[in-house]
Amino acid sequence: GQQLNQSPQSMFIQEGEDVSMNCTSSSIFNTWLWYKQDPGEGPVLLIALYKAGELTSNGRLTAQFGITRKDSFLNISASIPSDVGIYFCAGREASGAGSYQLTFGKGTKLSVIP
Amino acid sequence: DAGVIQSPRHEVTEMGQEVTLRCKPISGHDYLFWYRQTMMRGLELLIYFNNNVPIDDSGMPEDRFSAKMPNASFSTLKIQPSEPRDSAVYFCASSLSGSLNTEAFFGQGTRLTVV
Repeated sequence: GQQLNQSPQSMFIQEGEDVSMNCTSSSIFNTWLWYKQDPGEGPVLLIALYKAGELTSNGRLTAQFGITRKDSFLNISASIPSDVGIYFCAGREASGAGSYQLTFGKGTKLSVIP
Repeated sequence: DAGVIQSPRHEVTEMGQEVTLRCKPISGHDYLFWYRQTMMRGLELLIYFNNNVPIDDSGMPEDRFSAKMPNASFSTLKIQPSEPRDSAVYFCASSLSGSLNTEAFFGQGTRLTVV
């Protein structure tokens, strides 16, 4: 099936630093989603993107739907300790059957050093 | 809204036993998804339903796995017989169809350990 390449796999940053992570696909997507997963919990939706070029913010988080529709990035500004967790990108292909099926990246594990 | 509710949160069972995982989707959502999460493979879609009908079960690993959705507010994922390699966290998610707001909302998961 479709694979998403998410990078980096893990990050160690100092509190207060900005963070950037991204996802790329080989197919065109019509939806990009970013989730955060805390230990022992399910993924929680952070930002949803539905149009190429769309730039959306949620507090200190900003995500963009790439113009080519094959990539997306997530930025976190001024990181704080509670940002620790695993961030997943997810996308939905633009064509065909199973149009409500999401494909997930492998995740970016973020560690914030106080 | 209570969100997606899964039970049990944790399950430890012996190899060969039957395991049943349960899910109550968000009221009004017409899509329900079952995912499995492992360190090696990440989040994998097992099966999903639309209006209680299974649409795509190509992710179900083997015939030992089966899923049902008898009504709009309940679904089960059954493994019979269970094996140690089935140990993982199983997530249920639901979403509402439409041109927007098609995000999937996840439950807290069931951590399954087969010994």
